[in-house]
Amino acid sequence: DAGVTQSPTHLIKTRGQQVTLRCSPKSGHDTVSWYQQALGQGPQFIFQYYEEEERQRGNFPDRFSGHQFPNYSSELNVNALLLGDSALYLCASSLRGPLDEKLFFGSGTQLSVL
Amino acid sequence: GESVGLHLPTLSVQEGDNSIINCAYSNSASDYFIWYKQESGKGPQFIIDIRSNMDKRQGQRVTVLLNKTVKHLSLQIAATQPGDSAVYFCAEKKTGFQKLVFGTGTRLLVSP
Repeated sequence: DAGVTQSPTHLIKTRGQQVTLRCSPKSGHDTVSWYQQALGQGPQFIFQYYEEEERQRGNFPDRFSGHQFPNYSSELNVNALLLGDSALYLCASSLRGPLDEKLFFGSGTQLSVL
Repeated sequence: GESVGLHLPTLSVQEGDNSIINCAYSNSASDYFIWYKQESGKGPQFIIDIRSNMDKRQGQRVTVLLNKTVKHLSLQIAATQPGDSAVYFCAEKKTGFQKLVFGTGTRLLVSP
């Protein structure tokens, strides 16, 4: 049973570029959340997708956008990259329902913006 | 706030000792709490959770204690092993909201 998988594992971009990160949820899960984790800090909630729609959003600018596909996989897009966007981007999946809080995280994509 | 920069609080213990990691949460309306373990280069790994209608929950070698009066959460690890070395985060959530808010991480170092 595969857990949450993310690709790529590492990425280097320059300021102003755009990036797309990908996530496949754990088998049986239908909800995907994205988090940003800066070095030495706890993860910060970006947004969550369920039924192919953004359901809740954290305090991130519109440069951060996402998408969920019918197979529940998801993409995170960041436009006009800034140096401060350098971080570990984590995808977490869960199963919507009464006990939907238990998130399973992937290993993340380490994004470096130069 | 949730960020404390690069200098995480560190707890150093000897193998076989019991470890206690503490966390102060921020939102009195939160009703679900989780402890995560994060090893270098990996994503957070679920350890144990507790709902606000409980004040104690036990798992395998781990116990979580919740004190809602002072908004305090603790994680106790029995017979700590070198493999327990990692950064530990508490996280809080309010039912109906999907956002999980992570607290200050604590680095646990276990010496053989």
